[in-house]
Amino acid sequence: AQTVTQSQPEMSVQEAETVTLSCTYDTSESDYYLFWYKQPPSRQMILVIRQEAYKQQNATENRFSVNFQKAAKSFSLKISDSQLGDAAMYFCAYRSAEDSNYQLIWGAGTKLIIKP
Amino acid sequence: KAGVTQTPRYLIKTRGQQVTLSCSPISGHRSVSWYQQTPGQGLQFLFEYFSETQRNKGNFPGRFSGRQFSNSRSEMNVSTLELGDSALYLCASSSHFNEQYFGPGTRLTVT
Repeated sequence: AQTVTQSQPEMSVQEAETVTLSCTYDTSESDYYLFWYKQPPSRQMILVIRQEAYKQQNATENRFSVNFQKAAKSFSLKISDSQLGDAAMYFCAYRSAEDSNYQLIWGAGTKLIIKP
Repeated sequence: KAGVTQTPRYLIKTRGQQVTLSCSPISGHRSVSWYQQTPGQGLQFLFEYFSETQRNKGNFPGRFSGRQFSNSRSEMNVSTLELGDSALYLCASSSHFNEQYFGPGTRLTVT
């Protein structure tokens, strides 16, 4: 069975600085997808970025980028120029691409605090 | 396009009662997944429906059930509610691509 681990329950960063959130996963599959979702307080889950395992190039979405290390089974999220609106719970999630199973397997989440 | 909608947003029920939650996916999305979110257990997959068929099911007791209608709207039902069923229930819809888009959730409180 696949597992996702986020070892940082909480991180804090000064506004305008860069922060990296860690995620590791365990799987025996070779084809899968990885996601970072953001859940602001009392607001809905929002997709931040996705990565296909077969792509070597790291995904980037504006200030958000990932460092995908397939051999190490690591998938970290870098947030550049942190803004107050980035404060949220961040969840790393895994989805198999080898069947029609749309189930997301989640990490425990990292609470990101932005200091003004 | 309108996003995923869930009704009701908040619900208070008593132990032993049953509850039905509703989810309307993004137009054109045929897959609907349900997740339970609690502080203790985090996010856990309940089940996924595609074209009115349950395709996958998580490790939850039979008290948790769901269905999907021909217009892709989905409902989940929890019978004989227990205190531990108090949670945020999230619905997500997906097209044939891989992103899941989430609704705002239904906050269920069981007293």
